[in-house]
Amino acid sequence: ETGVTQTPRHLVMGMTNKKSLKCEQHLGHNAMYWYKQSAKKPLELMFVYSLEERVENNSVPSRFSPECPNSSHLFLHLHTLQPEDSALYLCASSPAVSKHNEQFFGPGTRLTVL
Amino acid sequence: QKEVEQDPGPLSVPEGAIVSLNCTYSNSAFQYFMWYRQYSRKGPELLMYTYSSGNKEDGRFTAQVDKSSKYISLFIRDSQPSDSATYLCAMSVSNYQLIWGAGTKLIIKP
Repeated sequence: ETGVTQTPRHLVMGMTNKKSLKCEQHLGHNAMYWYKQSAKKPLELMFVYSLEERVENNSVPSRFSPECPNSSHLFLHLHTLQPEDSALYLCASSPAVSKHNEQFFGPGTRLTVL
Repeated sequence: QKEVEQDPGPLSVPEGAIVSLNCTYSNSAFQYFMWYRQYSRKGPELLMYTYSSGNKEDGRFTAQVDKSSKYISLFIRDSQPSDSATYLCAMSVSNYQLIWGAGTKLIIKP
């Protein structure tokens, strides 16, 4: 595997379900990011991790819970989501938080909340 | 007013044409300017990165930054059908928060 991988690629869940999104980067980077991309809207930064430590939480609802067990893996735990949370969730990594202009993205997880 | 404005398109041009994609912004403190390309069902990939003002060229792509007008452009010469994608501009001051445009969908007709 190369670059940034994300699983699953597609996810359909009910509002009462609990699920997790997984991201893995094979680039040796120290910073990882979660973004939300909705149709015709700018990317929204959700969380930033630097060496497994969260450095940014952009007023994201508590139904989204990130986890970064090491610098190569990032999870987004989901529970009691709303239909408006349906979107493409993108993971990215960069060599360091200071190198935010060199972000590499995964293919995303297309999430549908029923 | 949005911090970064980008025409959503779609912009449809014939193969071989010169394409001009643009973003305007309101924050004069932005120093870093980036263009990303996003194909359908893929994540964005970095195309061009410019610090401060000026031009940068890479093959068929040229990025321009005009800080006095708060305007950035991406030019694509000799456009190909494989250039069909959504193009996202992004910019930042100096921290890790990129501010994104909503993207312009580009269609190159063979």
